[in-house]
Amino acid sequence: QQQVKQSPQSLIVQKGGISIINCAYENTAFDYFPWYQQFPGKGPALLIAIRPDVSEKKEGRFTISFNKSAKQFSLHIMDSQPGDSATYFCAASDIGGSNYKLTFGKGTLLTVNP
Amino acid sequence: DVKVTQSSRYLVKRTGEKVFLECVQDMDHENMFWYRQDPGLGLRLIYFSYDVKMKEKGDIPEGYSVSREKKERFSLILESASTNQTSMYLCASSTPTGTNTEAFFGQGTRLTVV
Repeated sequence: QQQVKQSPQSLIVQKGGISIINCAYENTAFDYFPWYQQFPGKGPALLIAIRPDVSEKKEGRFTISFNKSAKQFSLHIMDSQPGDSATYFCAASDIGGSNYKLTFGKGTLLTVNP
Repeated sequence: DVKVTQSSRYLVKRTGEKVFLECVQDMDHENMFWYRQDPGLGLRLIYFSYDVKMKEKGDIPEGYSVSREKKERFSLILESASTNQTSMYLCASSTPTGTNTEAFFGQGTRLTVV
């Protein structure tokens, strides 16, 4: 059972464009939704995260939009740059249930062309 | 600077060998995790531990075991390596804060079983 579904699998964007990656979850107990960024040869690193008490969180060019009723959340990268080219993973966790393991989506390979 | 260190970046082992993957974190984190990363499948949880000598199965524990004798060290053991265990293995650690659970990842061990 895939608890976190991520799309698209790959994405090509021109420099300066907007990159959008979507995720949907099934477990209503999830209450923490991070996005991780992974460059080739490196482990994933936390990019930005959101709790379900807010509908949007912005950090620089990166924004998470969260729709609790639809059980969906998305990552928007504004003014995408070639240095943003990486694999992005959405994830979810049930912190309120003291369950700190992260369930990950399958990942999106983002390529930003110069 | 927080650090999760995996003992090997690359390993080549023969079918049937017993394989040990070691992970050490220097952040005094309670939680430690082993994930497996395969193209198109994302990160899948093998085992996790919330305390010394404690372990819980993740989503794909078959063929693996773990050991956590000290808080900073979490070992993944392949009892009898098989070719379908060829993969990237990622160790992570986190601490329960009640509001988030940022996981810090090592750089990964790429294991090839021949």
